[in-house]
Order: sequence, then C-alpha cells, then structure tokens
Amino acid sequence: SAVISQKPSRDICQRGTSLTIQCQVDSQVTMMFWYRQQPGQSLTLIATANQGSEATYESGFVIDKFPISRPNLTFSTLTVSNMSPEDSSIYLCSGSGRTEAFFGQGTRLTVV
Amino acid sequence: AQSVAQPEDQVNVAEGNPLTVKCTYSVSGNPYLFWYVQYPNRGLQFLLKYITGDNLVKGSYGFEAEFNKSQTSFHLKKPSALVSDSALYFCAVRYPGSARQLTFGSGTQLTVLP
Repeated sequence: SAVISQKPSRDICQRGTSLTIQCQVDSQVTMMFWYRQQPGQSLTLIATANQGSEATYESGFVIDKFPISRPNLTFSTLTVSNMSPEDSSIYLCSGSGRTEAFFGQGTRLTVV
Repeated sequence: AQSVAQPEDQVNVAEGNPLTVKCTYSVSGNPYLFWYVQYPNRGLQFLLKYITGDNLVKGSYGFEAEFNKSQTSFHLKKPSALVSDSALYFCAVRYPGSARQLTFGSGTQLTVLP
C-alpha cells in the first residue's frame, strides 16, 4: 500500500488566521485529493490537487478559502484561510493509485 | 450521480458473534466499491475493495464483503467480532469513468461488546 504522510496531525488556531497542511505521498500515487470531515460527519471532497496547475474544486469550496498547491507528483499543501470556528474539522489528504485510495492520518483542526 | 448509503448509524454486536455493516450504492455502470475503517484520532485505513471478478472479497483483519449487483449492495461482514473491531466504518464508491475521487457513505459506528 502507498504511504501518505500528513502534518501537522493537529492544531489549535485563532480565528482569522491561516493554516497550511502538508502531504507527502510515495511514488505509487498518481492522483491526490483533499477531503474534509466535519465533526460526526462523513468525508467530503474539497478538491483534486493537480500537479503544476490550479486545483479542481468541488461545489461549495473555493480557491480563496482553500488554496492548494501541488508543485510535484508527490507533494501537496492545503491552506485553510481566514479561519472561523466552522472550519474546525479533520482534513485528510488522499493519494490514489490505479484502483484504491490511501489516506494520511489527517489533521485535526480546532479554531477558537 | 454516484452515491452510497449506509442505513445504520450504529451497529452493536457481542464479541464472538458475526457482524454485518450494510452498504448500498447507486451508480450507473460497474462501480468500484471500497470499505475503510477509522479508529479514534486516526486517518482512514483501507480494508478491502471490489473491482471485478469474484463477488466475495476478503480483506484485512478477517473482514470480507459480498458484492450483490441485483441488490446493489456491498455489505461488510466478519464471522466473529472482536472488541478491537469497534470503530467507524465507511463504504465508498468510485465510478470507473470518474477522476478517481471517492464518494463516501455517512459512516457506521460499530461497537463490539465484551
């Protein structure tokens, strides 16, 4: 299985600030995604991280709020900008091979 | 549009008894189906997948799932539950023609009672 490393594992942030989450995958992964898991909820896809170009965002998510970079095949970052308490969630990076997807351990974000 | 449903928010089972966690899907064509498990304060761990072939697939930790096309179901099963199986289980679907992102069910909290 692919190895997905995500950091930080958790953080507590002040409202109005921004947090950047990093994700490193191994070479088995071809596609990378970012998901959000709100408290007690399932996973919702935020965007597909595209190598060297702008990410593809799902409905309800915008680049100004969740800027994503993927400068090379194995690394991506998600920034949660101008945070509010509603952004408190687990954010998960995912790497997809030909069939299954693998996940990092997630970043548990609390905004106070 | 592809979707997947987990009709039970919570499943309780006694240790040593068989367990079933239900999943049904709604997607055209031949879907790829997955089960993941999430332990507290952890990411998602892959359990098993159905791509094609034998309808009964075996996965990690003694889990298995049966793909039933006529009932559009992919229930997760284990013959004998362990207390350590207590976790949050997610069913997910991907349509082969999609960009490989997954659509997740709402999750089922499994509690195995000693």
